[in-house]
Amino acid sequence: KQEVTQIPAALSVPEGENLVLNCSFTDSAIYNLQWFRQDPGKGLTSLLLIQSSQREQTSGRLNASLDKSSGRSTLYIAASQPGDSATYLCAVPSETSYDKVIFGPGTSLSVIP
Amino acid sequence: DVKVTQSSRYLVKRTGEKVFLECVQDMDHENMFWYRQDPGLGLRLIYFSYDVKMKEKGDIPEGYSVSREKKERFSLILESASTNQTSMYLCASNGGTGHTNSYNEQFFGPGTRLTVL
Repeated sequence: KQEVTQIPAALSVPEGENLVLNCSFTDSAIYNLQWFRQDPGKGLTSLLLIQSSQREQTSGRLNASLDKSSGRSTLYIAASQPGDSATYLCAVPSETSYDKVIFGPGTSLSVIP
Repeated sequence: DVKVTQSSRYLVKRTGEKVFLECVQDMDHENMFWYRQDPGLGLRLIYFSYDVKMKEKGDIPEGYSVSREKKERFSLILESASTNQTSMYLCASNGGTGHTNSYNEQFFGPGTRLTVL
């Protein structure tokens, strides 16, 4: 059964620092992987969708990489800002239904001014 | 841009009331989902609909039902609300297999914070 983990569960960094969030999954036969951001009390906002044929996807200060063989994805945030403070979740397709996804528990990021 | 809207941001109901949560998407997506999110438990799938009038139970369907009479609208129904259904409810949609190669890219609504007293 596909399982998704994210380490660390929480992270606190000073403003301006570059940081990496990790996502691991047990079944490497995935079509793609999605990263989301969630602000407190709000819905999830899609940040990046990286296809299995890609190794990286970039949007502004965000860069997501995908290594299917090792079952890992990383989200790199450059020059962090207080506005980046949020919970970041990754999700991969379910192995039993292509249309459903399995979410990780999230990493809570706090960027200190 | 895909837009997913939910009928209420905050809702307060009493135990035993029938509660309707509505979700509308404007991208002609095949699939729609209802999740609940609780601290320490993450996102859990309640129900999934892959077409009009078609539904599939998720991980925690007990105490809930759903309705999808039109493609753009997916309703979650709490037949008799209980205090343990106090939670954040999130609706999402995606295009579905064959829609594009990003068929399962999920788009979420803003969420409904439901409190059952």
